[in-house]
Amino acid sequence: GAVVSQHPSWVICKSGTSVKIECRSLDFQATTMFWYRQFPKQSLMLMATSNEGSKATYEQGVEKDKFLINHASLTLSTLTVTSAHPEDSSFYICSARAGGRADTQYFGPGTRLTVL
Amino acid sequence: QKEVEQDPGPLSVPEGAIVSLNCTYSNSAFQYFMWYRQYSRKGPELLMYTYSSGNKEDGRFTAQVDKSSKYISLFIRDSQPSDSATYLCAMSLGSYIPTFGRGTSLIVHP
Repeated sequence: GAVVSQHPSWVICKSGTSVKIECRSLDFQATTMFWYRQFPKQSLMLMATSNEGSKATYEQGVEKDKFLINHASLTLSTLTVTSAHPEDSSFYICSARAGGRADTQYFGPGTRLTVL
Repeated sequence: QKEVEQDPGPLSVPEGAIVSLNCTYSNSAFQYFMWYRQYSRKGPELLMYTYSSGNKEDGRFTAQVDKSSKYISLFIRDSQPSDSATYLCAMSLGSYIPTFGRGTSLIVHP
């Protein structure tokens, strides 16, 4: 089946540093990848949608200069949290779409970010 | 009013019980309805996918969609402790990005 990996699975960093999270579709090509943020006991909050080779589309209220997204290939997207602060601590989940339908969207295992 | 409403629970049931999880929604244009299961600190995995109204069964899971009432359900028969997880409903307009509910936490105790 379709597998999406994320790396790292968890990261702790100091306030002010930048953190990069990788998302890979392992056995399929994903023209579209999504980045979500999830707070405890809350739903998935879509941050941005990225298409291979083009700029990401950010949801309202998401700072694009803070959350840099690069979709360099059909199997790799990265999210960089720049100048991280404690309020950026959260569970970040990527998702990759293999086809045109919503049920072809597969999720990665998530990355837990803790900013001290 | 949120587009998708889902009671966060937790819902606690004994092993072997029939579980009923529900979501309501406000956008009558939604066509595709999904249920995801998310274990703690993991990404969601697709459980069930249905198009329009009706029922769909897959093993111990049954998804039900009532578009006239804007109400969807997921039933789990013979629930097991391994079913303990958060269940998120999601719905979309065609190929659009799905809108998720906040998830219901299910605990199945032995």
